[in-house]
Amino acid sequence: QVQLVQSGGGVVQPGRSLRLSCAASGFTFRTYALHWVRQAPGKGLEWMSFISFDGSDQSYADSVKGRFTISRDNLNNTLYLQMNSLRPEDTAVYYCTRWGGGSSGLDYWGQGTLVTVSS
Amino acid sequence: DIQMTQSPSTLSASEGDRVTITCRASQSISGWLAWYQLKPGRVPKLLIYKASSLESGVPSRFSGTGSGTEFTLTISSLQPGDFATYYCQQYNSYPWTFGQGTKVESK
Repeated sequence: QVQLVQSGGGVVQPGRSLRLSCAASGFTFRTYALHWVRQAPGKGLEWMSFISFDGSDQSYADSVKGRFTISRDNLNNTLYLQMNSLRPEDTAVYYCTRWGGGSSGLDYWGQGTLVTVSS
Repeated sequence: DIQMTQSPSTLSASEGDRVTITCRASQSISGWLAWYQLKPGRVPKLLIYKASSLESGVPSRFSGTGSGTEFTLTISSLQPGDFATYYCQQYNSYPWTFGQGTKVESK
């Protein structure tokens, strides 16, 4: 079965960096585009970033552009989110998620990982 | 960026009620709209994609309609497990955007 298992969250001081990982299994990883979505405490879902199946194309929300970098390792079936210059407003649960392809939506989600940016 | 606006923000309903949530886009997104259900402590669940296509395994009491800028999610007969927050999301163009959410609570 499709699984997305996340790791790498935690508490970090403002201005520091953190890298999230998302290990995939149960599907042909290299053929699917992937995304990151977050939910700040008490807030709604916010789309963060996209990476194409082969990593050649990326897109970011304005709120993280220039600070966050999405990448993937198709040999090891892992998605990453490198988060630099973290701010308190980046505090959220971060989800990796698979785009089902074609006209589909985001059909499988990781379990979520909490990132807290605080001094 | 395309703004997505849901209404209402909160909806009070009873088991068995027919429930309708509206989502409006700030510009045409054709049919590139998905609906998700989110419960506390759970991960988001895809319900509807391409405005009206039911995701595999989702009960048929959920349905979606619309195109262009106006969309609706309907639950034909609300069940106990349907009390949750629902989000629309456009994937017509980047950056993808979500609506602010509609909380369906027990009356």
